[in-house]
Formats: sequence, C-alpha cells, structure tokens
Amino acid sequence: EDKVVQSPLSLVVHEGDTVTLNCSYEVTNFRSLLWYKQEKKAPTFLFMLTSSGIEKKSGRLSSILDKKELFSILNITATQTGDSAVYLCAVERPPYGNKLVFGAGTILRVKS
Amino acid sequence: SAVISQKPSRDICQRGTSLTIQCQVDSQVTMMFWYRQQPGQSLTLIATANQGSEATYESGFVIDKFPISRPNLTFSTLTVSNMSPEDSSIYLCSVKPGLAGPEQYFGPGTRLTVT
Repeated sequence: EDKVVQSPLSLVVHEGDTVTLNCSYEVTNFRSLLWYKQEKKAPTFLFMLTSSGIEKKSGRLSSILDKKELFSILNITATQTGDSAVYLCAVERPPYGNKLVFGAGTILRVKS
Repeated sequence: SAVISQKPSRDICQRGTSLTIQCQVDSQVTMMFWYRQQPGQSLTLIATANQGSEATYESGFVIDKFPISRPNLTFSTLTVSNMSPEDSSIYLCSVKPGLAGPEQYFGPGTRLTVT
C-alpha cells in the first residue's frame, strides 16, 4: 500500500527562523511528489518534483527530492507569520496524473 | 490556474439528513475530484467525478452514501447521504485542468458538522 509520512507533525518557530519539513514515501512506480500549503480549508499548490537533486525554488520556499532515499524536504527561510499553515506532501499514483496520496501534514506555527 | 468555488462553505446538519455540496469552476476542466478531510487528518480521495458517466469511487466509499453528479465540464455535486457524526469533515473538490501533469487545484472547501 502506498504510504506518505511527514515529519514533524507540528512545530513552532519564531519569525526569521529557517525550517525544514520532511516527507518520506513508499510508492510503487513513483512518478512525482507534490507540496501544498493549507491555510484554513483550501490547499494551494507549491511545487511538483520529479527528478532527484534538482531544487525547486519560489521566493523563500525551496524543495528538493531524493529518489534514492525516497524523501523530499521543504525549506522555508526567514519565516513570517503568514507562513503559518499545514504543509501537505502528496505522491502521484496510478492512474498517473489522476490520483494523489497525501501525507498527514506538518502544522507550522510562526510566532512574531 | 482555475478559480473554484464551493457552496455551502459550511453547514451544521442533523444526523439522518443529506447535504449536497456544489463545486463550480470558471473554465472547462478534464478531471474533477472529491476529497474528505476528517478532523486532524489528511486528505482522502472519495471519488473522481466523470463528465457524462458514473463517478469512480475509491475503496471504502460507495455511491449510495456519496452520490456524485457531473453534468458538464465546469460543475459537480457531492451529496453526503444519511449523515452521522462520523461524516463531520471538510469536503473539498479539486480539478486537474490539463491532461498533462498531476497538479490539482482545490476549491475553498465545505466544513460539515453533523450533530
């Protein structure tokens, strides 16, 4: 059975800190891994990763995939209170392009 | 990305009743999905809403409990039938606008509380 495990479950940091969120997976025939940010109810898409070692970057957020060790990390530098959210990791499973399996998420709280 | 709206945004319902949730997209999309997020848990796919045919349900979800309609390429409904408190969740619709790539974009969600 496909499995996506995120750690830590939650963390609290102060503004300006750098955080690293982890996502490990066990998926048959891996194709891609996606990161989402969920504030209130709706997840918003952040990154999609398909190749090992290639960093995806958007502002203060970056992410990288290690297909050999089966994990991905999401880094947030110079955190702001607006970064407070649940960060979800998902992997694509067959039929490809249609189905996503989500991890339980990491709850991030940034204190001012 | 597509703009997605859901109605209602929240509701409180009595057990034994049914609620229909609507999902509207501002453009035609190939794939639409319905997810459930129970309190403190992650998203679980309920079904894929197929335009012009029956929805495809995931293991553990059945049509009698969660009937889905998709009359066209911009609209879908999910009904939660004969509700119990265990159905209290956030229900989200998502869309995959194109044929390539797995990225899905989510609607704002419906928070359902069953008393």
